[in-house]
Amino acid sequence: GAVVSQHPSWVICKSGTSVKIECRSLDFQATTMFWYRQFPKQSLMLMATSNEGSKATYEQGVEKDKFLINHASLTLSTLTVTSAHPEDSSFYICSARARALQGSNQPQHFGDGTRLSIL
Amino acid sequence: GEDVEQSLFLSVREGDSSVINCTYTDSSSTYLYWYKQEPGAGLQLLTYIFSNMDMKQDQRLTVLLNKKDKHLSLRIADTQTGDSAIYFCAERINDYKLSFGAGTTVTVRA
Repeated sequence: GAVVSQHPSWVICKSGTSVKIECRSLDFQATTMFWYRQFPKQSLMLMATSNEGSKATYEQGVEKDKFLINHASLTLSTLTVTSAHPEDSSFYICSARARALQGSNQPQHFGDGTRLSIL
Repeated sequence: GEDVEQSLFLSVREGDSSVINCTYTDSSSTYLYWYKQEPGAGLQLLTYIFSNMDMKQDQRLTVLLNKKDKHLSLRIADTQTGDSAIYFCAERINDYKLSFGAGTTVTVRA
């Protein structure tokens, strides 16, 4: 159980293009989804947290107009990198978490990531 | 504060035990996690431990928690070549946010 599917797994596109990445929870309802960015040989950097039906909460330094997040249903969140440039090239990973009672443990389950390369 | 530290590399012989260490700073963390990342893939949840526990064992995995020293370790018994990966320690900061370490690259040699 607790499978998260992320699509596409690899994207190569030209500078100025907008790219959409999908994150789906396949066998559970994800009230909260997270988007991370990972640079080579580094840890995960949280970009934003989205709760179903509400606006995403962005971490400090992350441009919300650049990285558009939509969490329209309990099983789908999307990240759109608008007008992508080479510096946006990175590995983007989503995770999903089911509803949890306060204080209880509902771990984050991760997708397989999307490698984005902007030429 | 949110600062999780791990050693960066570990080399172990196949069949031996691996021990990966992690220190964290937030004493209010309720849950601590170990994730595994294989090349080009996302993170796979291996195990987690609640902060009021000292030890948790799950098949070949043993997690030890020293809350006083804010030290967490993951022991992998009978390490196999398929255990070669990057292992991330993470602490739960609040109700939803995780703080990750930089990851320990484990290399299993024959």
